[in-house]
Amino acid sequence: GAGVSQSPSNKVTEKGKDVELRCDPISGHTALYWYRQSLGQGLEFLIYFQGNSAPDKSGLPSDRFSAERTGGSVSTLTIQRTQQEDSAVYLCASSWDSLSGNTIYFGEGSWLTVV
Amino acid sequence: GNSVTQMEGPVTLSEEAFLTINCTYTATGYPSLFWYVQYPGEGLQLLLKATKADDKGSNKGFEATYRKETTSFHLEKGSVQVSDSAVYFCALRRRDDKIIFGKGTRLHILP
Repeated sequence: GAGVSQSPSNKVTEKGKDVELRCDPISGHTALYWYRQSLGQGLEFLIYFQGNSAPDKSGLPSDRFSAERTGGSVSTLTIQRTQQEDSAVYLCASSWDSLSGNTIYFGEGSWLTVV
Repeated sequence: GNSVTQMEGPVTLSEEAFLTINCTYTATGYPSLFWYVQYPGEGLQLLLKATKADDKGSNKGFEATYRKETTSFHLEKGSVQVSDSAVYFCALRRRDDKIIFGKGTRLHILP
C-alpha cells in the first residue's frame, strides 16, 4: 500500500478482554516496529521484526503482550487480559532494512482504551 | 546500553525566536540519527536525518549535525513559526535495525 496501515484506528474494550491490533506495512518493507505512546509520554519500544523474526522482544511490558508476523508482511500485536494501564496509542512503523540510514514510516496508530 | 536523551519540555518561545532542542545519545558503533515530528492530531513523520559523523540533516528550516565527539544531534532553527508547534522526537537506529526514541519535547510557539 501507499503507507503503513493500522487497524482498528480506535478500540474501546473492557478490562480483562483480549485485543488484536493489526499492522500492514508498506509493500516491500522488511523491517517492522511496534511502539506504544501513552498520554503525555514518549515512544516506548515494544518489539521489532526483520522479516518474520523478532530479534528483540525486550520491550514487551509483560507476558500478556505478544506479536507475530507472517509472510514477511502483516503483523498482529495481541494483548491478553487487558488492563487499564494498557490504554495508549499503539504505533506501527516499517522500513527497508539492512542500511541503518533508512527512514522508518509510521502508521496513524491504534488508539486503545481499556475501561 | 543504547539510549537517547533529549531536553524535557515543554519549550515555549515567541515567533521568530531561535530554537535549540538538545539531544544526546549513547550507542555502540555508529548509529544513524533522526528527528521525527508529531504535529497536533497527526502521526509521526520524519523531519531530518544524518547517517554518519559530521553529516548535517536539514528540512523546513531545521538543522541538526551529527557530532560524534560529543555524541549529540541537537535540533536548531533560526526563526520559529507558530506552525512549528509540535512534539519533536530524537531517535537513533542501530546497525541491527533497532530504533530507539527519546521521550519527546513539546514545543509551543506563541504569536
